[in-house]
Amino acid sequence: SQQGEEDPQALSIQEGENATMNCSYKTSINNLQWYRQNSGRGLVHLILIRSNEREKHSGRLRVTLDTSKKSSSLLITASRAADTASYFCATDPSGGYQKVTFGIGTKLQVIP
Amino acid sequence: DTAVSQTPKYLVTQMGNDKSIKCEQNLGHDTMYWYKQDSKKFLKIMFSYNNKELIINETVPNRFSPKSPDKAHLNLHINSLELGDSAVYFCASSPGVAGGDTQYFGPGTRLTVL
Repeated sequence: SQQGEEDPQALSIQEGENATMNCSYKTSINNLQWYRQNSGRGLVHLILIRSNEREKHSGRLRVTLDTSKKSSSLLITASRAADTASYFCATDPSGGYQKVTFGIGTKLQVIP
Repeated sequence: DTAVSQTPKYLVTQMGNDKSIKCEQNLGHDTMYWYKQDSKKFLKIMFSYNNKELIINETVPNRFSPKSPDKAHLNLHINSLELGDSAVYFCASSPGVAGGDTQYFGPGTRLTVL
């Protein structure tokens, strides 16, 4: 089974609204990253949050991490049409070197 | 300048053929990866090399053979292509092997097997 699973799988909002995406994972982690993928392009790193952090901000992005619930959320405030993309969480499992695992992604559509 | 480049961008071929995808990174990174993204957008790691040495080899058919001539290049050769190999293949690189390292992705190669 996948380490990271995003929810919802698809989200459609109006420009200016906030978008919230969630990621749940199964094992303990060292850190969690969020990536964006525009249609037909590679993934682009957005933000990393470490296991000892609870919240992190970067511009219009806000990421939270709840290690007790094994979940993270990505909030995009004041969304723009250019935010239309798929968003993936990637988890770095703790306990020695293991591969980073990507979730299945949330497809966000921001309607102008 | 493109940080991680892949060629070709599109590849359409017949079942049974052999093909290669090339990847180059100019970021000076030590680690490179190959991922397969299926039609449902699930991104699955296939291989990872660190300084030309294989460090991750997932359950991938041995028809897939990665080759890293130097740490800036990681090529993927696929023998006897099958319909199920149709997907987008992404190359990525990161500074090291730490899971917290940011991975930089190439633009992808869309492989279609007919």
